Amino acid sequence: QSALAQPASVSGSPGQSITISCTGTYSDVEKHNLVSWYRQYPGKAPEVIIFEVNKGPSGISNRFSGSKSGNTASLTIFGLQAEDEADYYCCSYADTPTHVVFGGGTKLTVL
Amino acid sequence: QLQLQGSGPGLVKPSETLSLTCAVSSGSISDSDYWWGWIRQPPGKWLEWIGSIYHSGATYYNSSLKSRVAISVDTSKNSFSLRLSSVTAADTAVYYCARQPSYGKWYFNLWGRGALVTVSS
Repeated sequence: QSALAQPASVSGSPGQSITISCTGTYSDVEKHNLVSWYRQYPGKAPEVIIFEVNKGPSGISNRFSGSKSGNTASLTIFGLQAEDEADYYCCSYADTPTHVVFGGGTKLTVL
Repeated sequence: QLQLQGSGPGLVKPSETLSLTCAVSSGSISDSDYWWGWIRQPPGKWLEWIGSIYHSGATYYNSSLKSRVAISVDTSKNSFSLRLSSVTAADTAVYYCARQPSYGKWYFNLWGRGALVTVSS
């Protein structure tokens, strides 16, 4: 069982927006503004798309947006495109001695 | 552009030690404030952070693996390595090496391609 809880799957049609939740505890998501999100295509390495809750790396589309409320972080993808179909993982820094925890991943299907 | 390439045996016997090395190319492992980490992903499952190291040798480990893990750095070879002892089938996974921007920046902004390690007799 992963440390952070994510829905196993979400789906949406092209052009729609979807949100993926990531629920942790006070010791990780709530206490630290150090939530990151990764996109992973089948057979490929993950790629960071959001870091420190709501910051986007250069080169990543601004259709990806991150937020946090209490012990739950969220990733919203605006204007879904076929290329967004992938697995998405959240990650958070956590109090010592844990340090880093990941979510169980969410499979996004673009209908 | 800096690249990471993990390598090592693809098959390890139960109870033995898994050893992987990540070569850093087109840049120095000692550059800036980068930390270097190992993350693994069992087939069909989620990511699990194993640990991270600074070029000075300072390390942080996943507490659930700490008794079996050792991460080291070799600045002369521009590489860092993972050793995981007493492996079982549960350690079968794709092992990724990755870069953290700095201490306190707990995310990974550059990943290697991943190396599949199977634990089986």
